[in-house]
Amino acid sequence: DSGVTQTPKHLITATGQRVTLRCSPRSGDLSVYWYQQSLDQGLQFLIQYYNGEERAKGNILERFSAQQFPDLHSELNLSSLELGDSALYFCASSEGQGAFHEQYFGPGTRLTVT
Amino acid sequence: GENVEQHPSTLSVQEGDSAVIKCTYSDSASNYFPWYKQELGKGPQLIIDIRSNVGEKKDQRIAVTLNKTAKHFSLHITETQPEDSAVYFCAASSNSGGYQKVTFGTGTKLQVIP
Repeated sequence: DSGVTQTPKHLITATGQRVTLRCSPRSGDLSVYWYQQSLDQGLQFLIQYYNGEERAKGNILERFSAQQFPDLHSELNLSSLELGDSALYFCASSEGQGAFHEQYFGPGTRLTVT
Repeated sequence: GENVEQHPSTLSVQEGDSAVIKCTYSDSASNYFPWYKQELGKGPQLIIDIRSNVGEKKDQRIAVTLNKTAKHFSLHITETQPEDSAVYFCAASSNSGGYQKVTFGTGTKLQVIP
């Protein structure tokens, strides 16, 4: 158990809908990262927050947004969902924001768009 | 941006044999190279990492080597066991503007045959 929690575990929704994925980092970790893992694909970095502030953006679509709250939990919002958004979404956390900090991954949320 | 290539995409070995996974990266600013193991239904978990000022690191049956000049790094697993079966991801990380920028490889599915 990494100490990172993600809810829900599974989510099935229809095209055009909007969903919110939630992540609670490990106790004491200030950085939260979001990744998308499609079938047979690697981990695509979406976005990073550090202590409530956005720090880095990867290949995140404009339909997607995220935020980190004062209690350090984070939410990833996916809107106008398309079939291609079906994937595993992972949240990871780390103590700091520099290059040498180990990232601890949550168990993921499996999103299925029908 | 950084590009990380990982080979092979699948690897089958007999129990007790060694397994080698290779990665190349493009950004010379990358200075931290973690390896993650992802078991079925779980999030990735760090198994070993290496910094750019070190050429080799070993932890029991797992070792990682880094050739900065050639921008290559490799994961070596000796005396493989069935529980080593998983997907392995390499990653290259740099400290960019005060935050950690991580790029993952596409993964190697390792099957250890009993």
